[in-house]
Amino acid sequence: EIVLTQSPGTLSLSPGERAILSCWASQSVSSSYLAWYQQKPGQAPRLLIYGAVIRATGTPDRFSGSGSGTDFTLTISRLEPEDFAVYYCQQYDSPPRYTFGQGTKVEIK
Amino acid sequence: QVQLQESGPGLVKPSGTLSLTCAVSGVSISSGRWWSWVRQSPGKGLEWIGEIFHDWNTNYNPSLKGRVTILVDTSKNQFSLNLNFVTAADTAVYYCATSSTFRIDYWGHGTLVTVSS
Repeated sequence: EIVLTQSPGTLSLSPGERAILSCWASQSVSSSYLAWYQQKPGQAPRLLIYGAVIRATGTPDRFSGSGSGTDFTLTISRLEPEDFAVYYCQQYDSPPRYTFGQGTKVEIK
Repeated sequence: QVQLQESGPGLVKPSGTLSLTCAVSGVSISSGRWWSWVRQSPGKGLEWIGEIFHDWNTNYNPSLKGRVTILVDTSKNQFSLNLNFVTAADTAVYYCATSSTFRIDYWGHGTLVTVSS
């Protein structure tokens, strides 16, 4: 089973700053199989990025994904107030089909 | 617009069976999508439980050790989850969701299920 590790656990930043979130995989992951989600309190996760770099419908262009192999990154170029949330990376592989990282909380500094 | 809505008891007794249903609207459950259940324990991360295709093909998370069954009802455009022999560790918000090409792109709002006597 591929394990995803996200870093940092919490990121304290101010609106307008850049956020860089990391996701490391215990084995190589096809870029096609890597996605990112945003979750706000009391809400379901929302798909942001899939295929490592492709923004989902409705995802603002301040969100970008990059990486390959075992190292992936989600960058938020300039934080808006609505971006403070928890972010999860996810990979698709043989059972279990979907595994998630433990999450990175982006909080207001 | 794809919409999913979970329903079922919010309280289940230990060693009992957790049963939830997900009503799907905006798309046929017989389309080329997989239909999943994902859970999130209070204050914790996301755990994928399993998925089903309209032809009843299923995949389950091995961590649930054979306690889980996912069924589909194409006539009602819905699918369901049964989780047997529940313990307090199964207390979580349960989401139904659907996936397309390696990502989960639509989610229900989630329903909290508490395991307690």
